Amino acid sequence: DIQMTQSPSSLSASVGDRVTITCRASQGIRNELDWYLQKPGTAPERLIYGASSLHPGVPSRFSGSGSGTDFTLTISSLQPEDFATYFCLQHSGYPFTFGQGTTLEI
Amino acid sequence: QEQLVQSGADVKKPGASVKVSCKASGYLFTVYHMHWVRQAPGQGLEWMGRINPNLKDTDYAQKFQGRVTMTSDTSTSTAYMELSALRSDDTAIYYCARAPAPRPKLGTYYYYGLDLWGQGTTVTVSS
Repeated sequence: DIQMTQSPSSLSASVGDRVTITCRASQGIRNELDWYLQKPGTAPERLIYGASSLHPGVPSRFSGSGSGTDFTLTISSLQPEDFATYFCLQHSGYPFTFGQGTTLEI
Repeated sequence: QEQLVQSGADVKKPGASVKVSCKASGYLFTVYHMHWVRQAPGQGLEWMGRINPNLKDTDYAQKFQGRVTMTSDTSTSTAYMELSALRSDDTAIYYCARAPAPRPKLGTYYYYGLDLWGQGTTVTVSS
């Protein structure tokens, strides 16, 4: 199975900050990686698909980059509603695997 | 609008089985595969498997082989996930989520991520 190592596990930041979260795959997965946001008590919502494409309706302050084994999610200017948990998902083949999550805290 | 609506919370005793439903609406049910993902309290997300509602073929995570069964009913656009021999560590929120069917690409397949999720179903296993 492909292992996804996500870092950091938690991050303290302020409104207006630029933040970066990374995921590293244990083997190359081309661009078959998505990023999700999850707020407490709700289902995950997709932010980025195919490593760098913005999911419809997602604000442009979110961006993704990377290919192969190393991937990055960047939030250019944090808003109050962005404080949540973020996950990456590799969908290069079955089984799909998730990163461990990054909790973004004020 | 496109949505996935799951069945309500359930409480089961150890050793029992649970069956969670996921009803799709607003899109063509048979064009997408349905995946199941679970999240134990305070933990991350764990992929359990997927079903092609059209052909009924499935792939399950090794961890759940022999205990999980995924089925679908195209007449009602509903997918089901049944987990048997429940243990306390199966206590979790169970999500269904759809993904477009894999497509052939350069001698292999391109797999798509999960673009629409159900609201989740809490399953509690307790004696």
